[in-house]
Amino acid sequence: DAGITQSPRHKVTETGTPVTLRCHQTENHRYMYWYRQDPGHGLRLIHYSYGVKDTDKGEVSDGYSVSRSKTEDFLLTLESATSSQTSVYFCAISSSGTENEAFFGQGTRLTVV
Amino acid sequence: SQKIEQNSEALNIQEGKTATLTCNYTNYSPAYLQWYRQDPGRGPVFLLLIRENEKEKRKERLKVTFDTTLKQSLFHITASQPADSATYLCALGGYQKVTFGTGTKLQVIP
Repeated sequence: DAGITQSPRHKVTETGTPVTLRCHQTENHRYMYWYRQDPGHGLRLIHYSYGVKDTDKGEVSDGYSVSRSKTEDFLLTLESATSSQTSVYFCAISSSGTENEAFFGQGTRLTVV
Repeated sequence: SQKIEQNSEALNIQEGKTATLTCNYTNYSPAYLQWYRQDPGRGPVFLLLIRENEKEKRKERLKVTFDTTLKQSLFHITASQPADSATYLCALGGYQKVTFGTGTKLQVIP
């Protein structure tokens, strides 16, 4: 498996609380992505990064922010969690953009109650 | 708006047969198309990429076709095995962006 680790793997949090999910890679890949996966919607891109401190929005970015201060770490923050953000979150990495294969992490199951 | 359609119903086939999964899309002109496999509780795993100027790509027992006129990709697994049971996702890509379908669940029956 590619060296990509997500933490935590599972989290239950209350509505209105901040939550940060971490993605750590050991592959030195330039691109990192955060997706959410929900039944009937497939994988949807939240935010992505194309380098340290370089990030951009995906199709479902509202309510989420990201930061990338080091090549190996990409953080996803829910500033004030809502029940609609209950989902499985996947981090992915790729070496040269979306045309290259993406390696996915194991996922984080987040439940907002 | 862009739309990717994969058969939402599970596909059940007998071991040894060829499984064929379909990915249709509308309002999209992708530069390439990818197929991923996803097992329960795990992240997707990349299988194949095919570019818009390629008609067919093969890898071991896997074959992908890409028809930009029909706006369709077919994914074939020959001599299917129970270990091939999983959900298969197609993803259409362009510059800096990939859009995933919802996936088709394949069940190979021994």
